[in-house]
Amino acid sequence: ETGVTQTPRHLVMGMTNKKSLKCEQHLGHNAMYWYKQSAKKPLELMFVYNFKEQTENNSVPSRFSPECPNSSHLFLHLHTLQPEDSALYLCASSLFSGGQSYNEQFFGPGTRLTVL
Amino acid sequence: ELKVEQNPLFLSMQEGKNYTIYCNYSTTSDRLYWYRQDPGKSLESLFVLLSNGAVKQEGRLMASLDTKARLSTLHITAAVHDLSATYFCAVFSGGGADGLTFGKGTHLIIQP
Repeated sequence: ETGVTQTPRHLVMGMTNKKSLKCEQHLGHNAMYWYKQSAKKPLELMFVYNFKEQTENNSVPSRFSPECPNSSHLFLHLHTLQPEDSALYLCASSLFSGGQSYNEQFFGPGTRLTVL
Repeated sequence: ELKVEQNPLFLSMQEGKNYTIYCNYSTTSDRLYWYRQDPGKSLESLFVLLSNGAVKQEGRLMASLDTKARLSTLHITAAVHDLSATYFCAVFSGGGADGLTFGKGTHLIIQP
């Protein structure tokens, strides 16, 4: 595997289900991100992890719960979602070295989530 | 709160023509990124612009950054059909790592 991978690629779930999205980066990066892409809205940053520590949480509802067990893996645990949470969830990673570092973000293919 | 505005949001153009996509942002930042997204696909990094006056070119695409005007442009020269995609600009939000704030994207269709 190369780059950033995400599983599953498609997910349909009911509002009472619990599911998890998985992201893995094979780039030796140390920062990972979750973004939400909804129709007709800009990509929204959800969570940032830097060296496995969460450094940013953009007022995301608690029904979304991130987990970063190591610098290569990132999960997004989902429970009691709403239909408006249907979107493309993108994972990204970058090499963060502080300050003015380059930090280009590389994106995975995304998980297309539909909440019924 | 950082806001990023792109225009136009939709652009249909003929092959062989030139056009420019504009990206304005509301607060000081010296890192701006351009991405391309094809339908059903993820985001592909095109350019990273790190300083005032930075200009980068790849094929028929050229990006520039004016940090004083808080403006970046993506110029398309002699467009070809393969450049049809949605183009996003994104600006560094100033978070702990590199949380980016994205524009809404410019949906570009290039007709033969």
